[in-house]
Amino acid sequence: AQSVTQLDSHVSVSEGTPVLLRCNYSSSYSPSLFWYVQHPNKGLQLLLKYTSAATLVKGINGFEAEFKKSETSFHLTKPSAHMSDAAEYFCVVSDITGNQFYFGTGTSLTVIP
Amino acid sequence: GAGVSQSPSNKVTEKGKDVELRCDPISGHTALYWYRQSLGQGLEFLIYFQGNSAPDKSGLPSDRFSAERTGGSVSTLTIQRTQQEDSAVYLCASKERGGLADTQYFGPGTRLTVL
Repeated sequence: AQSVTQLDSHVSVSEGTPVLLRCNYSSSYSPSLFWYVQHPNKGLQLLLKYTSAATLVKGINGFEAEFKKSETSFHLTKPSAHMSDAAEYFCVVSDITGNQFYFGTGTSLTVIP
Repeated sequence: GAGVSQSPSNKVTEKGKDVELRCDPISGHTALYWYRQSLGQGLEFLIYFQGNSAPDKSGLPSDRFSAERTGGSVSTLTIQRTQQEDSAVYLCASKERGGLADTQYFGPGTRLTVL
């Protein structure tokens, strides 16, 4: 079965410092992985996705993530946090058909001015 | 439309009443999903429609929950005899086609409160 574990429920960083949101996945095959962001009272928006091409994936708003098969990780990073990055972030893995998606419990990012 | 829309945005109901939540997917998207997001939780899969195929209902938590998709477009999620534990944000997402792990596009959600 597929699953994702987001290791931190809350992360707090100062504006201008790096962001690291951790995600580990469990899958019996080479998965497709996604990061979504959810701002308050908004729907989820795709940040980036990995679908077995380049292991370093660049997304919107300066975010990127690296697929590491040996560590079964897909951590989300950003070199410099902005106030507008404050939101809930979800790591997602798809099943082998690409039709079903399994969401982590989310990481709430706070950016301190 | 430009994106996935859902209505109503907020719904307050009394325990025991039935509610209907609506989702308008992006035009031309063949796949449609319903999820439930409870406070502080991740998204819980409810049901998945793909084209004219029979829906995957494996996530529906009880027989009080049902959904239909008319004409391969608009979908309605119905909750009968609502309970307080049904209070959550119900999110709809559409995808251009089945398989291939394509991007899901999410609507803004319907916040359901059962008193």
